[in-house]
Amino acid sequence: DTGVSQDPRHKITKRGQNVTFRCDPISEHNRLYWYRQTLGQGPEFLTYFQNEAQLEKSRLLSDRFSAERPKGSFSTLEIQRTEQGDSAMYLCASSLSGSTNEQYFGPGTRLTVT
Amino acid sequence: QQPVQSPQAVILREGEDAVINCSSSKALYSVHWYRQKHGEAPVFLMILLKGGEQKGHDKISASFNEKKQQSSLYLTASQLSYSGTYFCGTDYQGGGNKLTFGTGTQLKVEL
Repeated sequence: DTGVSQDPRHKITKRGQNVTFRCDPISEHNRLYWYRQTLGQGPEFLTYFQNEAQLEKSRLLSDRFSAERPKGSFSTLEIQRTEQGDSAMYLCASSLSGSTNEQYFGPGTRLTVT
Repeated sequence: QQPVQSPQAVILREGEDAVINCSSSKALYSVHWYRQKHGEAPVFLMILLKGGEQKGHDKISASFNEKKQQSSLYLTASQLSYSGTYFCGTDYQGGGNKLTFGTGTQLKVEL
């Protein structure tokens, strides 16, 4: 059983550029979550999907952030016009509905905005 | 509201025990415990549902006190591999919603 995978693992970009990250959940999991983690802090919720539907989006998420899960499998998180404050680890997790919602995390994408 | 973890950091000698607490000001549906090593993703340890149950996994166990809205993680006979940052993630709604994570407890186990 393969775990959650994320691509790329590291991304360095210049301020103002757009970036896109991909997450592939555990194959039978229908829920997918995006979190952001900065140094010394716990993961912070961004958004989550059940199948294709985006069910919740954090109020902290600006309009520059958008996420999709078009076929209910992999998901993408796009950040437009990146700012230095966007530098963080972006974590994806997945879980199975009808269970106790154990969320399993991927290795993350570390974004550095210069 | 973010759950509060205590202590913030602890250093143990191998074989010693530790307790990490996670407290919430809001009613909890469940508490999820994770361990994260530097530069790696959080690894799921266990989940506690409301009802005050206690769970165990090898030498790591946890409890959930519904009256106090608090969960505690117990690490017994610690091993070097236990080192890392422990996070509790709280679910206030149930039904597979988001987790709200505490600020973490840094645990270091030394020889």
